Amino acid sequence: AQTVTQSQPEMSVQEAETVTLSCTYDTSENNYYLFWYKQPPSRQMILVIRQEAYKQQNATENRFSVNFQKAAKSFSLKISDSQLGDTAMYFCAFQDGSEKLVFGKGTKLTVNP
Amino acid sequence: EADIYQTPRYLVIGTGKKITLECSQTMGHDKMYWYQQDPGMELHLIHYSYGVNSTEKGDLSSESTVSRIRTEHFPLTLESARPSHTSQYLCASSGGPGTVYSPLHFGNGTRLTVT
Repeated sequence: AQTVTQSQPEMSVQEAETVTLSCTYDTSENNYYLFWYKQPPSRQMILVIRQEAYKQQNATENRFSVNFQKAAKSFSLKISDSQLGDTAMYFCAFQDGSEKLVFGKGTKLTVNP
Repeated sequence: EADIYQTPRYLVIGTGKKITLECSQTMGHDKMYWYQQDPGMELHLIHYSYGVNSTEKGDLSSESTVSRIRTEHFPLTLESARPSHTSQYLCASSGGPGTVYSPLHFGNGTRLTVT
């Protein structure tokens, strides 16, 4: 069974600085997708960024980028120029051909002014 | 605007009551999911559906049941609520017909408290 591990239960960063959230996963599949979701306090879970395993190029969405290392089964999220609105729980997720997502336990990120 | 809606947002009920948590989506998605999440904790898949009249149990055992009579509607029912059911329930959907590897769209969640 696939597993997703987020080794940082909590992190904090100063506003305008850069922070990296780590995620590793375990699978024997070759084709799959990886996602980062953001869950702000008492608000809706939203998709931040996704990466197709067959693409070597790292995905980027504005201030959010990933470092995808397929051989190492690593999928970290970098947030540049952190903003107060980035304060949230961040979940790494894995999806294979079964189409069910497997989520990590989450990392609570606090952006300090 | 296409979206996914959950009602109620908050619910406090007594032990033994029957409750139904509603979830509807307007995106025409085939796949719908129910997750259980304690505050600030990981998500656990409790039910999913890949289409009308298709429902499956998820990875976390749950005493709840679901139905999928219409594409847009995926309600979750607890026949007899207990304090151990106190949690947040998140509904999600993904994928139009024929799509694969599509991201989930989440509702706002229902925070259930059983006293």
